[in-house]
Amino acid sequence: DQQVKQNSPSLSVQEGRISILNCDYTNSMFDYFLWYKKYPAEGPTFLISISSIKDKNEDGRFTVFLNKSAKHLSLHIVPSQPGDSAVYFCAASAGNTPLVFGKGTRLSVIA
Amino acid sequence: NAGVMQNPRHLVRRRGQEARLRCSPMKGHSHVYWYRQLPEEGLKFMVYLQKENIIDESGMPKERFSAEFPKEGPSILRIQQVVRGDSAAYFCASSPGQESYGYTFGSGTRLTVV
Repeated sequence: DQQVKQNSPSLSVQEGRISILNCDYTNSMFDYFLWYKKYPAEGPTFLISISSIKDKNEDGRFTVFLNKSAKHLSLHIVPSQPGDSAVYFCAASAGNTPLVFGKGTRLSVIA
Repeated sequence: NAGVMQNPRHLVRRRGQEARLRCSPMKGHSHVYWYRQLPEEGLKFMVYLQKENIIDESGMPKERFSAEFPKEGPSILRIQQVVRGDSAAYFCASSPGQESYGYTFGSGTRLTVV
């Protein structure tokens, strides 16, 4: 059973536009959520996170929104840049347990 | 410190051989996590270790797989009698404590079983 779901395997966005990546979860015990970015042949790198006590966290061009009642979070990238092209993983944790990852969404930003 | 170091980057093994994957955590990090990424899949948790202790191995297959993190030296993920289905990218992450936000990943070891 997948506790963290990223239902869109891929997304294409034009440079300068907004990219919205979505993530749903089923475990109501999750209290910390993270987004990781991964380039080919490299390990995932941390991008941004949010605690369950918040509904929004912003860091430069990246904003994560959390809707606890819907068990849904999203990552907004604006404006999107070609260098943002990568696979984005949503991850969640319940009380400092090891992170549970989604399958990832491949973002392509077209110049 | 260059970060989490994994070696080898690529490993080819014939069916039935053993595979040993090494992970040196970042300096100051005493928590190590191993994840596996199968083709077209996300990262699946395998095992969480602290020095000389296995804390959580709920994601590790019951047979053929083992992990250790000795007092000295890197963490080792060992796969005995490899099968084609073991072909995957294996990532190690380390953190200074149990905090979820502290993970730093290595570049991974890509295991190919032929």
